[in-house]
Amino acid sequence: EVQLVESGGGLVQPGGSLRLSCAVSGFTFSDHYMDWVRQAPGKGLEWVGRTRNKANSYTTEYAASVNGRFTISRDDSKNLLYLQMNSLKTEDTAMYYCTWADSSGYFVHWGQGTQVTVSS
Amino acid sequence: DIQMTQSPSSLSASVGDRVTITCRASQGISTWFAWYQQKPEKAPKSLIYAASTLQSGVPSRFSGSGSGTNFTLTISSLQPEDFATYYCQQYKSYPLTFGGGTKVEIK
Repeated sequence: EVQLVESGGGLVQPGGSLRLSCAVSGFTFSDHYMDWVRQAPGKGLEWVGRTRNKANSYTTEYAASVNGRFTISRDDSKNLLYLQMNSLKTEDTAMYYCTWADSSGYFVHWGQGTQVTVSS
Repeated sequence: DIQMTQSPSSLSASVGDRVTITCRASQGISTWFAWYQQKPEKAPKSLIYAASTLQSGVPSRFSGSGSGTNFTLTISSLQPEDFATYYCQQYKSYPLTFGGGTKVEIK
């Protein structure tokens, strides 16, 4: 059974940092692209960014809204995906979902999400 | 960026109804297109990819069609478990973008 379990969310002040983790099981993590998608309260889905697999040199893509502030990384030896979030803004408040992405680009499986709240 | 516009933003329907949701891309995306279902307080779930291919385990009452800029999700006979919000997504180019969602409510 495929499982993606996010952790690390919480309350942080504007300007602060937070690192989210996603523990993966049930598929060969190292073979696949992985993405983060977020959803602000009562709003729609927003793609955050992607890390490709080792075969594609672990290259990354980011949404303009987080580029330069957020960094996606992965540890294939531990089946873990990370999202390092720096210089957080109130508009970053959202549920953050870890997703397994097909190499073509759509999201095959989603985690249950972890809530990030940026507030003073 | 490619903008995705869904319509309607919400609809009311009865069990057994045929429901159609449309999504329009601001530029041609061939069939680099997906649909997702999200129930309240739950993570989204993949329904359809490549515009018309059903994800494994998705009931056959769901179908997708379209290419280029115009796409459709059809539920042939709405079931109680189908009341949810549906999102479209393009994966032709970065940034990957979603439509605003269509909430399907019980009439």
